[in-house]
Amino acid sequence: GAVVSQHPSWVICKSGTSVKIECRSLDFQATTMFWYRQFPKQSLMLMATSNEGSKATYEQGVEKDKFLINHASLTLSTLTVTSAHPEDSSFYICSARDQVVRRDGGDEQFFGPGTRLTVL
Amino acid sequence: GQNIDQPTEMTATEGAIVQINCTYQTSGFNGLFWYQQHAGEAPTFLSYNVLDGLEEKGRFSSFLSRSKGYSYLLLKELQMKDSASYLCAVRDFPGGYQKVTFGTGTKLQVIP
Repeated sequence: GAVVSQHPSWVICKSGTSVKIECRSLDFQATTMFWYRQFPKQSLMLMATSNEGSKATYEQGVEKDKFLINHASLTLSTLTVTSAHPEDSSFYICSARDQVVRRDGGDEQFFGPGTRLTVL
Repeated sequence: GQNIDQPTEMTATEGAIVQINCTYQTSGFNGLFWYQQHAGEAPTFLSYNVLDGLEEKGRFSSFLSRSKGYSYLLLKELQMKDSASYLCAVRDFPGGYQKVTFGTGTKLQVIP
């Protein structure tokens, strides 16, 4: 199957600093990537949809100035958590949509391994 | 918006069969996914249904009824390694763009 990587896999930072997380599709081109956040014992919450070459679409309640998304190429999207605070500590997961054409017209998204962010 | 419901926890015995249900309410439905997630790891894709009926993949099967807003994931010949959370996710097109929303997940514990 398609492979998506994330870097770093974990990061610890001080409150007030910014952290950049990279999401790469390694063996396919992804015009669309998704950024999710997952708090302990909760499900994935979509933060934003990242489209190559255009502005990201943010979900309601997600601050676009705090969570900067850049999708500069067909294989790379970045999420920057600006001025991080302890409440931003979470598991951040990206996924990339493969343009594989299924017999029923659907497609699949493949997840990266996630980045665990801890803000002290 | 979407409303996705699935049981919080289930327990089943090794070698048995377990069915995890998912109900949803959405407009512009365009597919339902099942993912497996082990603690501390990212989800892995299990199945995708967009048409009514049963999709079978080895020990895993997924069923969809669009008219009832209902899906289930069937796991056969349970193994201890199947202990994980199983996430039901629904795709639709609110406001003209594609969005996948996840349910809260069902934590399955397989016991000997």
